[in-house]
Amino acid sequence: GAGVSQSPSNKVTEKGKDVELRCDPISGHTALYWYRQRLGQGLEFLIYFQGNSAPDKSGLPSDRFSAERTGESVSTLTIQRTQQEDSAVYLCASSLIPAGSPTYEQYFGPGTRLTVT
Amino acid sequence: AQSVAQPEDQVNVAEGNPLTVKCTYSVSGNPYLFWYVQYPNRGLQFLLKYITGDNLVKGSYGFEAEFNKSQTSFHLKKPSALVSDSALYFCAVGHGSGNTGKLIFGQGTTLQVKP
Repeated sequence: GAGVSQSPSNKVTEKGKDVELRCDPISGHTALYWYRQRLGQGLEFLIYFQGNSAPDKSGLPSDRFSAERTGESVSTLTIQRTQQEDSAVYLCASSLIPAGSPTYEQYFGPGTRLTVT
Repeated sequence: AQSVAQPEDQVNVAEGNPLTVKCTYSVSGNPYLFWYVQYPNRGLQFLLKYITGDNLVKGSYGFEAEFNKSQTSFHLKKPSALVSDSALYFCAVGHGSGNTGKLIFGQGTTLQVKP
């Protein structure tokens, strides 16, 4: 079946512009995650959606970052007034978490490489 | 707070030799532990996980990992390395209480297998 897809694969934008990144999770996966991976560094958790629960936004680095998810489908990560330090690969992952069974295995998309000039 | 440490930025091994990529963790409660691999210009791929049960976990591509509760470690191993195993490896930990699914990732270890 289809995996996690992300678009665009690459995005170059000018400093100060807004960008929107899209993630299509695996169908039926209730949980969706956004991570940021700066060059040569590990994954930095940004935000987590689980079903109809309030999202865990504890990893968002500033109020310029926001994300939405419609039901258990597509999610968009929006970065307003982009800065050069926002340049990174943004990874989306989804996971099937049956109630009462914390399996946690996450499936990752290929990422969106964002370059802010 | 949860944390994961991968003490080696890079591991070099000759093809055919055994390899170990180290990971230690810190978490209150029962840990859920994962290894992911990232090939150049590609997303992360799941290798294996420890949730409960046997301490030795077998995963994809011949990899295995051993959960050691007393040493709070979850080292990744393979008996005989291949050049194609060269990639970036991430260890991650989830928390046992609650059901958030949130993972904390280590900084990654680059594995270089030379022919």
